Amino acid sequence: GAVVSQHPSRVICKSGTSVKIECRSLDFQATTMFWYRQFPKQSLMLMATSNEGSKATYEQGVEKDKFLINHASLTLSTLTVTSAHPEDSSFYICSANPGEGQAKRGGYTFGSGTRLTVV
Amino acid sequence: QKEVEQDPGPLSVPEGAIVSLNCTYSNSAFQYFMWYRQYSRKGPELLMYTYSSGNKEDGRFTAQVDKSSKYISLFIRDSQPSDSATYLCAMSVGSGGSYIPTFGRGTSLIVHP
Repeated sequence: GAVVSQHPSRVICKSGTSVKIECRSLDFQATTMFWYRQFPKQSLMLMATSNEGSKATYEQGVEKDKFLINHASLTLSTLTVTSAHPEDSSFYICSANPGEGQAKRGGYTFGSGTRLTVV
Repeated sequence: QKEVEQDPGPLSVPEGAIVSLNCTYSNSAFQYFMWYRQYSRKGPELLMYTYSSGNKEDGRFTAQVDKSSKYISLFIRDSQPSDSATYLCAMSVGSGGSYIPTFGRGTSLIVHP
């Protein structure tokens, strides 16, 4: 099946620095990727939708200047957390749209997630 | 009121028990209903999906959707320690709306030997 590779799986950074998270679709092209954030014991919250070759669409309340999303190719999307602060510590997960047929069947493919800790 | 409500648990059961996981929702436009399993520090993986109302069975797993009550369930028979994970319900509107799933907060399941 479709696989989404996400790196790094875990990162610790100092407050004020930037962190880049990569998401790659393996063996398929993902014209659309989604970025989620998940706090402990909370649901996945959609942050933004990225479309290859165009600007990302951010959900209400998500700072686009803080969470920079780039989707420069059909297989790679990146999320950069700029000037990270401790409150940005969370679990970030990407997901790829596998196409309408699979999307109908809930078959969004998720990356393995990145645990970001800002100290 | 959140669109999708799910008790976070944890739910602790002995091995071999029948597990019942549930979600309620408020948006009557939801047509596609999914259950995802998420192991600790991993991304979710699709377990079951159902379109509209009805039951669906896959091995030890049975998904039920009752649209009239806006209530969905996942049953796990003969539960195993390897079933210990967080189970997230999700649903989407589908055509005319969006297929992007709206998630519940997940129920933590612990199956002890």
